Amino acid sequence: EIVMTQSPATLSVSPGERATLSCRASQSVSSNLAWYQQKPGQAPRLLIYGASTKATGIPARFSGSGSGTEFTLTISSLQSEDFAVYYCQQYKDWPPWTFGQGTKVEIK
Amino acid sequence: QVQLQESGPGLVKPSETLSLTCTVSGGSVNSSNYYWSWIRQPPGKGLEWIGYIYYSGSTKYNPSLKSRVSISVGMSKNQFSLKLNSVTAADTAVYYCARSPIMSPGGWFDPWGQGTLVTVSS
Repeated sequence: EIVMTQSPATLSVSPGERATLSCRASQSVSSNLAWYQQKPGQAPRLLIYGASTKATGIPARFSGSGSGTEFTLTISSLQSEDFAVYYCQQYKDWPPWTFGQGTKVEIK
Repeated sequence: QVQLQESGPGLVKPSETLSLTCTVSGGSVNSSNYYWSWIRQPPGKGLEWIGYIYYSGSTKYNPSLKSRVSISVGMSKNQFSLKLNSVTAADTAVYYCARSPIMSPGGWFDPWGQGTLVTVSS
């Protein structure tokens, strides 16, 4: 099973600032990586797939990069609606598809 | 626009079977282009993929749950179901259904249902 590790667990950022979230895979997943945003009481929402392709309707301030074992989600200028928990997920090797433990982006 | 909606009992007794249904609107489970998955999230914790079913009836399960889980397509072809037997308190979670493309490489989840909380307690 591929283990996904996200860092940091919590990221404190001021509105308008840049946020950089990391995700590391225990073995190469190539570019088979997705990012999700989850707000309290809501289902996760797909942001990025293929490590860098934005899902439909996702604002330009969200971007994904990386391949192999190291990945980054960048939010260029945080808006109030971006404070949430973010998860990465690999789909290179299954079963099972696996998720990271999440990074909470909170208001500084 | 495809929408998914989970339904089922919110309370299950220990050692009994958890049964949930996902209803798909705006699309069909009988599509060769997608996998249909169940994912769960214990309160305050992360996400765990449970398994998926393909329209042909083929399934894949998380090895950690494989001995207890079964996913099937409903009679209407717009529904698929989850059964998890011999539940314990550790199975208390919000259960989501979600769709994944089968295109290679596919495997991301979009869209998701809103989720349903299932509590295991006597």
